[in-house]
Amino acid sequence: DVKVTQSSRYLVKRTGEKVFLECVQDMDHENMFWYRQDPGLGLRLIYFSYDVKMKEKGDIPEGYSVSREKKERFSLILESASTNQTSMYLCASSFRWASGSVVYTQYFGPGTRLTVL
Amino acid sequence: GESVGLHLPTLSVQEGDNSIINCAYSNSASDYFIWYKQESGKGPQFIIDIRSNMDKRQGQRVTVLLNKTVKHLSLQIAATQPGDSAVYFCAENMAPNSGGSNYKLTFGKGTLLTVNP
Repeated sequence: DVKVTQSSRYLVKRTGEKVFLECVQDMDHENMFWYRQDPGLGLRLIYFSYDVKMKEKGDIPEGYSVSREKKERFSLILESASTNQTSMYLCASSFRWASGSVVYTQYFGPGTRLTVL
Repeated sequence: GESVGLHLPTLSVQEGDNSIINCAYSNSASDYFIWYKQESGKGPQFIIDIRSNMDKRQGQRVTVLLNKTVKHLSLQIAATQPGDSAVYFCAENMAPNSGGSNYKLTFGKGTLLTVNP
């Protein structure tokens, strides 16, 4: 079974703090994703990475950055947390065939519910 | 169904009945679709997927139907159980051949399924 783990289930931070959310997957997946999930807005892609040290902006990258130094780990960084970043953050990963053929199915972690006061 | 403000469309069924959850997708070029189940406080779980060269695919107690003419996807759950209570949402792949974006999914906002004992 694919296992995606996130460092915290619940996190409370203060405005202006630097926040690190960590995600680790154990299935040697090439692709990793960070989403936020808000009521009425569904899942929105923040950033994704299709290889080590590679990243691409998603739909809502403002206020966030990411780091992927190792294949299994993808970190989301809030440089200066704000109250509008209070949300559920979900990490996901997916596989890519060596031929380059795409496998779209993404496997999700349990989520981190972040509250910024 | 359509979501209004912060409220998800809701489907309420009796235990043992069959459930049908609908999803309208937006991109006629999408060729891969997934259904996810998200229980309260957890990350989304993969249920079943279907490619656009198929109209129907069956899993254990679940069937996905795809109607490309009207861009409609449905998830049928047979003999619905209390453990099926969750938010269900569909996802479609982004247009292919878009480089690094080739791995992305677009998610629907979801339907809340409530199973009454």
